[in-house]
Amino acid sequence: QKEVEQDPGPLSVPEGAIVSLNCTYSNSAFQYFMWYRQYSRKGPELLMYTYSSGNKEDGRFTAQVDKSSKYISLFIRDSQPSDSATYLCAIFTQGGSEKLVFGKGMKLTVNP
Amino acid sequence: NAGVMQNPRHLVRRRGQEARLRCSPMKGHSHVYWYRQLPEEGLKFMVYLQKENIIDESGMPKERFSAEFPKEGPSILRIQQVVRGDSAAYFCASSRGQTSYSNQPQHFGDGTRLSIL
Repeated sequence: QKEVEQDPGPLSVPEGAIVSLNCTYSNSAFQYFMWYRQYSRKGPELLMYTYSSGNKEDGRFTAQVDKSSKYISLFIRDSQPSDSATYLCAIFTQGGSEKLVFGKGMKLTVNP
Repeated sequence: NAGVMQNPRHLVRRRGQEARLRCSPMKGHSHVYWYRQLPEEGLKFMVYLQKENIIDESGMPKERFSAEFPKEGPSILRIQQVVRGDSAAYFCASSRGQTSYSNQPQHFGDGTRLSIL
């Protein structure tokens, strides 16, 4: 079983749609949860960073963590063509290695 | 307010040559991480360094790969005797402190795309 599984893509939505991106993880020791956005030919850009279960909101983006189900989600409201990118979930264990464990990424296209 | 700087952006090598990838962390960051992104694969951790020390190299192949982060200058990822399978995007990230103990997230550069002929 992979440490982090991310919903396969690609995903194509019309402008203004609500987008839901999801990941599951296997190790209950994971404590930090991140979402990165990666535009083509660029490096990952940190979008959201959360520690606890529950929701964290930043503008049109909401990160949701459910530790009991080992499930994390990123919601994008009022999606824009500029949101078209690959979204990567990344997970981290406190007190262990400093490495981030990434999902494979979901390519999102928002059509105008 | 420069971010993580990586160079070169693209590097082409023939099989058997050496590849050197450079990474300058963000200002004030003393922790550097290297990741590799193979086609159709996610980012995979390779090595974590602090100034002059390799802290965790558990993700780095045992042969041909080495990394350093000298007291002065950028971090270097070195691949000797490159093979076709080394073709990938190599990303460097940096943080101000240890992510695990000080909640310092890792910020990424735009990567070096290595192509082996």
